[in-house]
Amino acid sequence: EVQLVESGGALVQPGRSLRLSCVGSGFAFDDHAMHWVRQAPGKGLEWISGINWNDEDIDYADSVKGRFTISRDNAKNSLYLQMNGLTADDTAVYYCAKDIASAPGYIDSWGQGTLVTVSS
Amino acid sequence: DIQMTQSPSTLSASVGDRVTITCRASQSISTWLAWYQQKPGKAPTLLIYRASSLQKGVPSRFSGSGSGTEFTLTISSLQPDDFATYYCQQYSQYSWTFGQGTKMEIK
Repeated sequence: EVQLVESGGALVQPGRSLRLSCVGSGFAFDDHAMHWVRQAPGKGLEWISGINWNDEDIDYADSVKGRFTISRDNAKNSLYLQMNGLTADDTAVYYCAKDIASAPGYIDSWGQGTLVTVSS
Repeated sequence: DIQMTQSPSTLSASVGDRVTITCRASQSISTWLAWYQQKPGKAPTLLIYRASSLQKGVPSRFSGSGSGTEFTLTISSLQPDDFATYYCQQYSQYSWTFGQGTKMEIK
């Protein structure tokens, strides 16, 4: 069974940084692209970043480009999201998501999410 | 970026009804479209991929159709478990984008 477990969500002040982690199990982690998708309270889903299996194809939504960095460690079955310069607009549940393929395909599994709250 | 527009935003229906949700893309995405269901407080789950392919384990009352810029998700006979929010998402090109969601409510 595929499992994705996010961690690292917290209450953080505006302008500060935070790093989210996601550990995958139940599948060959290094065979799949991975993504981060967020959902602000009461709002819809927003894809924010994706990374293919070997880091060669990475992209970001304009809303986070230049502030967030996605990375992965296949040896640890882990996906990361480094978030810098956080603002109130970044307050959301952040989901780690597994792609069906090694390069961007579509999301077939989601983690349970981790909450990031940006507030003074 | 490709914009995805869903309609309606809210749909009131009864158990047993046939319901359809529409998703329009701002440019052609061929059939690179997925549909997800999300219940309150839970992560989304995949229903449909490649516009019309049913994900394993998803009941056959769910179906998807369309190509290019116009897509639909149909539930043939609404069940109590289907009251949730539904999202379309294009994966034709980065940045991926979702529709704003359609909330299915009990009439």
